[in-house]
Amino acid sequence: KAGVTQTPRYLIKTRGQQVTLSCSPISGHRSVSWYQQTPGQGLQFLFEYFSETQRNKGNFPGRFSGRQFSNSRSEMNVSTLELGDSALYLCASSSQGGNGELFFGEGSRLTVL
Amino acid sequence: SQQGEEDPQALSIQEGENATMNCSYKTSINNLQWYRQNSGRGLVHLILIRSNEREKHSGRLRVTLDTSKKSSSLLITASRAADTASYFCAITTNAGGTSYGKLTFGQGTILTVHP
Repeated sequence: KAGVTQTPRYLIKTRGQQVTLSCSPISGHRSVSWYQQTPGQGLQFLFEYFSETQRNKGNFPGRFSGRQFSNSRSEMNVSTLELGDSALYLCASSSQGGNGELFFGEGSRLTVL
Repeated sequence: SQQGEEDPQALSIQEGENATMNCSYKTSINNLQWYRQNSGRGLVHLILIRSNEREKHSGRLRVTLDTSKKSSSLLITASRAADTASYFCAITTNAGGTSYGKLTFGQGTILTVHP
């Protein structure tokens, strides 16, 4: 079974631009969560989608958004990039999305210059 | 602030020794999980312990949970150089409703195992 796939793995943007990151969950998993990892703040929850609906959201500004498609693939978008958005963005999938184990992708490393 | 706090922040040991990492949290939990992360890569789930469990084993891993003290420990026995990684505890709670997909992570312990 293929794992969680995130694209792109690395990207560089400049302040003010926007970025879209993609995540393909494990086949059969309907829940996709997104996390931001930075040296200063550690791992922080962004949002969770299940069957195309956002069920949970972390404490991030509205510049951070996401969506999920009918095939469970998910995208997250960050608009008007700031230097502080430089981070490793991790996607995780699970079969139920409740309190169980999450399966993480390798992440998308975003650098904002 | 992070609900899960871990200590030590860094741990350096020799191969064959045991490694113990501790995690404390501030709220009631549904479960507590431990994850491993190799440098700059994704997280790998190690073990999950539910709030009504006190101890769990998986291979060379032993996790304990003390809900009265709001703390957990992860023991890795007979460490190997390949165990070198960052280890994170993560909690799920029902504060404010079901915590769909939301794990609250500690800051992690960096484990270095010297051959």
